[in-house]
Amino acid sequence: GENVEQHPSTLSVQEGDSAVIKCTYSDSASNYFPWYKQELGKRPQLIIDIRSNVGEKKDQRIAVTLNKTAKHFSLHITETQPEDSAVYFCAASKGRGADGLTFGKGTHLIIQP
Amino acid sequence: DGGITQSPKYLFRKEGQNVTLSCEQNLNHDAMYWYRQDPGQGLRLIYYSQIVNDFQKGDIAEGYSVSREKKESFPLTVTSAQKNPTAFYLCASSRTGTGSGELFFGEGSRLTVL
Repeated sequence: GENVEQHPSTLSVQEGDSAVIKCTYSDSASNYFPWYKQELGKRPQLIIDIRSNVGEKKDQRIAVTLNKTAKHFSLHITETQPEDSAVYFCAASKGRGADGLTFGKGTHLIIQP
Repeated sequence: DGGITQSPKYLFRKEGQNVTLSCEQNLNHDAMYWYRQDPGQGLRLIYYSQIVNDFQKGDIAEGYSVSREKKESFPLTVTSAQKNPTAFYLCASSRTGTGSGELFFGEGSRLTVL
């Protein structure tokens, strides 16, 4: 089955700096890569996703890049703010069934004032 | 207000007891899921259902059971056979069950076995 590795497990950055979280996947058939954000005590929410027919997608301060050859994708957050502090999960799916979404173990992003 | 409602938010159980976690959605989604979240372990799939009266085991189904008698409801029973049931449980739904659409999560239920 699919295996998704996520690094780092904890990331601390100064407010205003950029943060990058990286994920690798094992199954070359995976074609859908979402990112979820979970603030402390709250439910995970989708913040951005990318499909395998594009290499990059942006939404204001966040962007995701995908390298299909190397089988890795990354989340980039620019101009970090205190409200960006949360746990971020990457995931990968072949899009062939409800059981197909495999999550990484999460990255705890800490924004230092 | 559309969304997913989980109850109870906190639950304590003695060893050897079964407990049922409730999950209701009013989003008219076809697919529903149960995930278990442990510190540093990400989200692991317990069971999922793509349509009413049908459900499938996920990666860690042992010691759990579910039912899907109504489209809106997908309760999870944690049985006494589950060896390490203390965890945070998240229910989710998606419009379809293709695995390539947004998941909408409930607020979670934290189960503690005493």
